[in-house]
Amino acid sequence: AQKITQTQPGMFVQEKEAVTLDCTYDTSDPSYGLFWYKQPSSGEMIFLIYQGSYDQQNATEGRYSLNFQKARKSANLVISASQLGDSAMYFCAMKGNFGNEKLTFGTGTRLTIIP
Amino acid sequence: DSGVTQTPKHLITATGQRVTLRCSPRSGDLSVYWYQQSLDQGLQFLIHYYNGEERAKGNILERFSAQQFPDLHSELNLSSLELGDSALYFCASSGRGRGANVLTFGAGSRLTVL
Repeated sequence: AQKITQTQPGMFVQEKEAVTLDCTYDTSDPSYGLFWYKQPSSGEMIFLIYQGSYDQQNATEGRYSLNFQKARKSANLVISASQLGDSAMYFCAMKGNFGNEKLTFGTGTRLTIIP
Repeated sequence: DSGVTQTPKHLITATGQRVTLRCSPRSGDLSVYWYQQSLDQGLQFLIHYYNGEERAKGNILERFSAQQFPDLHSELNLSSLELGDSALYFCASSGRGRGANVLTFGAGSRLTVL
C-alpha cells in the first residue's frame, strides 16, 4: 500500500520569501512517481511538478523544485520567491507501477502568502 | 483550460435521487480516473479506466458505478444519494509514455445532496 504524509496543515509565509512544503511517503513499489498539485480556492487541481523514483536529478519547473531524498522517503516542494497567487492548498501525491497507477494523495497543506 | 471537460459543474439534488457525472478526457488520453474530494475524507480514488476497460477500483461504493465508452468519455453514476455523498468529484486523464505519469484534472463537478 502507498501512503503520503503531509504534516503541515497550514503555513503562513511572507511574500517574496521561499517556502518548503513537507511530504514523506511510503511504498513497496520499486518504481514510483511523486507529484505536487495546487488547488486554489476556485477548486481546480493544477499539476505543478513530477519526480520519478529513478530520476538522478531533482525536478524543477520554474519557481517550483522538488527536493527528493529517496533514503529518507521525502519529496518536499520548494517554492522560491513566493507570490500572493501562490496562496492555495498543496497536495503531495504518488503513483506506482503498472496495476497500481492511481494517484494516492496526502491531506494537503494550506499555504497563505502574506503581503 | 486543462483539456479535461467535466459536466455539470454544479449539481443540487435530493436524497434518494440518482445523478450522472460526465467526463471527456484530453484528446488522445486513454486513461480516465475518478476521484471524490470531501472535507472529512480528503481526495479518495474511486476508479480507473483504460481504453474502455476497468483497470483499478478504489473506495467506490456499490451505489456508484462508472464506465468508459468507445469514444473514451466516461460517466460516473451515483444512485440512492445520501447527504454524505455531497462532495467535489474530479475526473482526470493521462496519456501514453511519459504522459502516462501525469494526471490532468478537470475542473470538477460539485454535488450537493439536500
